[in-house]
Amino acid sequence: DTGVSQDPRHKITKRGQNVTFRCDPISEHNRLYWYRQTLGQGPEFLTYFQNEAQLEKSRLLSDRFSAERPKGSFSTLEIQRTEQGDSAMYLCASSPGTSGVYNEQFFGPGTRLTVL
Amino acid sequence: SQQGEEDPQALSIQEGENATMNCSYKTSINNLQWYRQNSGRGLVHLILIRSNEREKHSGRLRVTLDTSKKSSSLLITASRAADTASYFCATDAGDSGGSNYKLTFGKGTLLTVNP
Repeated sequence: DTGVSQDPRHKITKRGQNVTFRCDPISEHNRLYWYRQTLGQGPEFLTYFQNEAQLEKSRLLSDRFSAERPKGSFSTLEIQRTEQGDSAMYLCASSPGTSGVYNEQFFGPGTRLTVL
Repeated sequence: SQQGEEDPQALSIQEGENATMNCSYKTSINNLQWYRQNSGRGLVHLILIRSNEREKHSGRLRVTLDTSKKSSSLLITASRAADTASYFCATDAGDSGGSNYKLTFGKGTLLTVNP
């Protein structure tokens, strides 16, 4: 399967713990996006990378959140000192980065986080 | 923040009937897309319509776009039980280079197709 993969698919943690999620994009895609989706809502943009550079962060991404894409391939999203309000589905997407044309974003299956 | 609002929030129909979902958005866009999401799964891209297009077809899907009203509709004809899912519209406004980067989604319509 050469689609976007995410690991783990499910994570249950206690409030105050740190968690880290991984996203592996489609190999030739240089753009990578993170979204968060809470129950009954559409996904909301968190941040995106062009290769290893993080080019935009949403205001939703508090200081407890950090995302990296160290070699321009896979990405990690870490949440420190988790809160119950962090419970959500975290979606990763990737796309080519061709300037001036539409680049379809391909989504992974998501990581569902439950904070107890 | 959510860009758009889908209407209705939930729709239940019988197999074989047509399903129409609407989406409204707030700001100028480059493209509008529709995605499907099965329960607890990732998003699947269905169709894209550009801001200078008014109608587009793909198989059993028909999308219209009215930029003057900032609204779009998705029609699924001859629905099947397998079409049961949540449907989201998403818009992109593009970056300074003119290519999209972030998508802004609506809240979605939950479609149930009864066998």
